[in-house]
Amino acid sequence: EPEVTQTPSHQVTQMGQEVILRCVPISNHLYFYWYRQILGQKVEFLVSFYNNEISEKSEIFDDQFSVERPDGSNFTLKIRSTKLEDSAMYFCASMLGMISNQPQHFGDGTRLSIL
Amino acid sequence: GQQLNQSPQSMFIQEGEDVSMNCTSSSIFNTWLWYKQEPGEGPVLLIALYKAGELTSNGRLTAQFGITRKDSFLNISASIPSDVGIYFCAGYLEYGNKLVFGAGTILRVKS
Repeated sequence: EPEVTQTPSHQVTQMGQEVILRCVPISNHLYFYWYRQILGQKVEFLVSFYNNEISEKSEIFDDQFSVERPDGSNFTLKIRSTKLEDSAMYFCASMLGMISNQPQHFGDGTRLSIL
Repeated sequence: GQQLNQSPQSMFIQEGEDVSMNCTSSSIFNTWLWYKQEPGEGPVLLIALYKAGELTSNGRLTAQFGITRKDSFLNISASIPSDVGIYFCAGYLEYGNKLVFGAGTILRVKS
């Protein structure tokens, strides 16, 4: 069964450094998402992406964050200058999107640790 | 922001027992989804509900979309050790395509 894949599984970065998290969504899906989960807390929406542009973003997704679909398969999340509070699990998700409100399929996440 | 209230927060049950958990909100949802998350993995879809009143089963799992569109429950019958994990409700609000998640129910099963 097709799945969403994320790399790396764990990223350790010094505070202030840039980090890029990578995702390969399911190949025929049209909507792409990033969510984060701080340890012990609920999964929170960051951003949705459709037709090569951001369709919605949360208040967490400030100017330090950006997303890109550089080619036909990858979907990346960049944090420009990381802060300690960016430490979390980051999940990529994709949705087929031919009709609205379909289930999103999640990758296994990248654990980001900021030192 | 929109809140999904999920309960109970955690459950420690005997193998073979039935489990029930639910989510409620003050907002109307178009779709309810139930996911399971195991350590080191992302949420895995268990059941999707699309219409008010809909009752759907997936093996030992049964979920319902409340008729007010503001709540949903998930039942697990005859629990087994591999049911252990965190169960999340999630939904799409009436407008928008981002998922709103509940805080999760931690399920532990003793054999």
